[in-house]
Amino acid sequence: EDQVTQSPEALRLQEGESSSLNCSYTVSGLRGLFWYRQDPGKGPEFLFTLYSAGEEKEKERLKATLTKKESFLHITAPKPEDSATYLCAVHPRGGYNKLIFGAGTRLAVHP
Amino acid sequence: DTGVSQNPRHKITKRGQNVTFRCDPISEHNRLYWYRQTLGQGPEFLTYFQNEAQLEKSRLLSDRFSAERPKGSFSTLEIQRTEQGDSAMYLCASSLGGFGTDTQYFGPGTRLTVL
Repeated sequence: EDQVTQSPEALRLQEGESSSLNCSYTVSGLRGLFWYRQDPGKGPEFLFTLYSAGEEKEKERLKATLTKKESFLHITAPKPEDSATYLCAVHPRGGYNKLIFGAGTRLAVHP
Repeated sequence: DTGVSQNPRHKITKRGQNVTFRCDPISEHNRLYWYRQTLGQGPEFLTYFQNEAQLEKSRLLSDRFSAERPKGSFSTLEIQRTEQGDSAMYLCASSLGGFGTDTQYFGPGTRLTVL
């Protein structure tokens, strides 16, 4: 069964304290892995798509990497405005286009 | 604003009532998705449309749930005889389509509370 597990469930950082969020996945075949940011009461906001092991993408203080079994979202020198829930999702091969999401990591960055 | 829009943003209803939600996708997107999200969990897939054709439905979509996308534009999700367990955020997403995987862009969601 296709599955996505994110860790930690919650993370508290001081402003400027870099860290990484983990997304482990089990799929029959991977067509793409997505990272989204979700603020309370809002819909997920797209951040990155990764397609193959070894791929990396960056946006401001965020960098996403992909291996054959997991993805990391590295946050460098975070600011309070980076506080949000970060969701990882996979698009398995076969079927149509549904995404399978993890439960997310709730990030709080304190000044 | 040219993003995905959803209405209403909030809905409070009594158990047993019917409710209907609307989603307007990004204008050039031919793929539309519905997801449901409960507190502390990631979104769960409900159904997928390509143009007006409903191509996939989750086991989560019981007989009380129905979705339509007439003319391949906006979509509606109806829940009949609501139950307290239906309380959740209902999210709509759209994507451009084409070969391979493509990016799904989400709307702000409709928060349903069943009393």
